[in-house]
Amino acid sequence: DAGVTQSPTHLIKTRGQQVTLRCSPKSGHDTVSWYQQALGQGPQFIFQYYEEEERQRGNFPDRFSGHQFPNYSSELNVNALLLGDSALYLCASSLGNYNSPLHFGNGTRLTVT
Amino acid sequence: AQRVTQPEKLLSVFKGAPVELKCNYSYSGSPELFWYVQYSRQRLQLLLRHISRESIKGFTADLNKGETSFHLKKPFAQEEDSAMYYCAATSYNTDKLIFGTGTRLQVFP
Repeated sequence: DAGVTQSPTHLIKTRGQQVTLRCSPKSGHDTVSWYQQALGQGPQFIFQYYEEEERQRGNFPDRFSGHQFPNYSSELNVNALLLGDSALYLCASSLGNYNSPLHFGNGTRLTVT
Repeated sequence: AQRVTQPEKLLSVFKGAPVELKCNYSYSGSPELFWYVQYSRQRLQLLLRHISRESIKGFTADLNKGETSFHLKKPFAQEEDSAMYYCAATSYNTDKLIFGTGTRLQVFP
């Protein structure tokens, strides 16, 4: 079992561009959560997907959107990139219960110039 | 608003010394509390959760509802305990895991 896999590992984009990050959950997991981790900060919750729908959302603007596919994999899309979007984006998978532990991927490092 | 606070950015101890990493939470209802750890060049992973009441790698954490705290403790620190530690909380009505800002533990030989 490869666990949670994310792609790409690194990405450099220019202000105003759009980006798509991808995540494959751990085998057997049906829930995917996305987090943004700025340097020196803890992971900040962006949103969570379950049964192909956004189930919970954190305090992020609509420029951040996502999708979950029938095989439970997920994408995070960010439009109109800002310099402040530069961060490590973490994907975590879990079972559907609210207190099910999260299993994290290694993250995608996004740099916006 | 739900909040998890870790007041210390850095905690440095010598090998064999006791360790306590502080975590306070502000949550309505009955939250579930977790500690996650990130060792150098590894992914973030679960260390322990309060409902399991178990000791992992010698670490324990007690939920104190009166003080709204969930401090992580180990009686004798080891060099391999050096890592970034994050306290996190969720609840049935919020259904999202909120993290603190993390504490870096450095254990010197």
